[in-house]
Order: sequence, then structure tokens, then C-alpha cells
Amino acid sequence: DAKTTQPPSMDCAEGRAANLPCNHSTISGNEYVYWYRQIHSQGPQYIIHGLKNNETNEMASLIITEDRKSSTLILPHATLRDTAVYYCIVRVVRGNRDDKIIFGKGTRLHILP
Amino acid sequence: DTEVTQTPKHLVMGMTNKKSLKCEQHMGHRAMYWYKQKAKKPPELMFVYSYEKLSINESVPSRFSPECPNSSLLNLHLHALQPEDSALYLCASSLQGPSGANVLTFGAGSRLTVL
Repeated sequence: DAKTTQPPSMDCAEGRAANLPCNHSTISGNEYVYWYRQIHSQGPQYIIHGLKNNETNEMASLIITEDRKSSTLILPHATLRDTAVYYCIVRVVRGNRDDKIIFGKGTRLHILP
Repeated sequence: DTEVTQTPKHLVMGMTNKKSLKCEQHMGHRAMYWYKQKAKKPPELMFVYSYEKLSINESVPSRFSPECPNSSLLNLHLHALQPEDSALYLCASSLQGPSGANVLTFGAGSRLTVL
């Protein structure tokens, strides 16, 4: 599976949009982009995933560039509860095959009051 | 039920003890995972069970012994651990199937301290 690169930390003011970048320049055509987050002392939580089209759900939006080499997770109105480590993962969806889901170092997002 | 339940939440054990961590899910997921997480580090994959069979072992020392008695339960048996094995142990599950996006659902973790 392709590797990802994320900034180690970011700050965002409460109420503003938080834009978290992820570089995955070696992504292949059948690899999806997934985002998880981990709030302190909790298990990671799934946020969103996509292949090539932009995706939106109740938590966030995912913008994938046309060449698929990078993506941005957008939290539209950040709150203090969004302070967490955000992980970008790329992986093939193999269906019945085994899954090695490997976490990179992630971005530590601080929401400032 | 949309949860993965891990017990115990906290465990303190000596290096000669034998203990077990337990993980349970009732979402019909057919893949279950153990991850280990040290402080300020990302989760590290240890084991994957797929349809109750061990499919991935990430070269984990034999003092960690996984067991999947049925599709809803996953255990991690611990024996002769070292202080450096102290960590948060995370269990996760996913719906393994031809249409599944295999999104992981994680438990809250079991925090292990080895004295």
C-alpha cells in the first residue's frame, strides 16, 4: 500500500474550517484514501473515505485532487472536541482478502478557543 | 449494536503473570484486529483474524498469543511480558466481504502496565 505524508501538527480557531492535507504521491489506481482520528485516550474513529470523487458526510468532507496524489480533509466548523490526531491512510479495498491497515504518524490538530 | 467492547480497561501485571485481554463485537463483522499503541505513537498492527482464522501476524513475539473462539470474540493471551510491552492495546473489527469498504471500528482499548 502507498505511503502518506502529513504535517505533524496544525492549529485551527474554533468555528473555522480545519483543512488537513495528506500527500500520497505513489497512490495506485485501486487504492482508496481513508481518514481516521484519535481523540486522546480513545480508540481511532473512522471519518470518511474516497477513491477519486469528493465525498461528504455528517463529519467532514474529503477533497481528492484530480491526479489523486494528494487529498484534504475538511472539518467545516471545528469545535474543541475536534482536537485529535488525524490519520490519512491509503489502501486497496480487497473485499474478502486480508487487510493490513497501517497507520502513519498523523497530524495532531489543536482547536484553539 | 455498533460497538467493539474491550475488557479490562486497565490491567497491571507482573512479568511472571498470565493474563488475557478480551474483545467482543456483535456487528456481524468477520475480520478482527489487534493493534498495540505506545504513547504519542500511531497504532501498530499485531494480528488480523479473517473468518476466525489467523491471517496476519506481524512478527509479534510469542509471549502474545491471539485466539478467536468465534466470530464475535477475540482474545489476546499474555505471558512472561516485559515492561516495554506496556501500552494501549486496541481491538478493531471490520465487515469483510465483496462489497465491504472494510472500515475499521475500534474499541476504547485496554491499557496494560507490566511491572
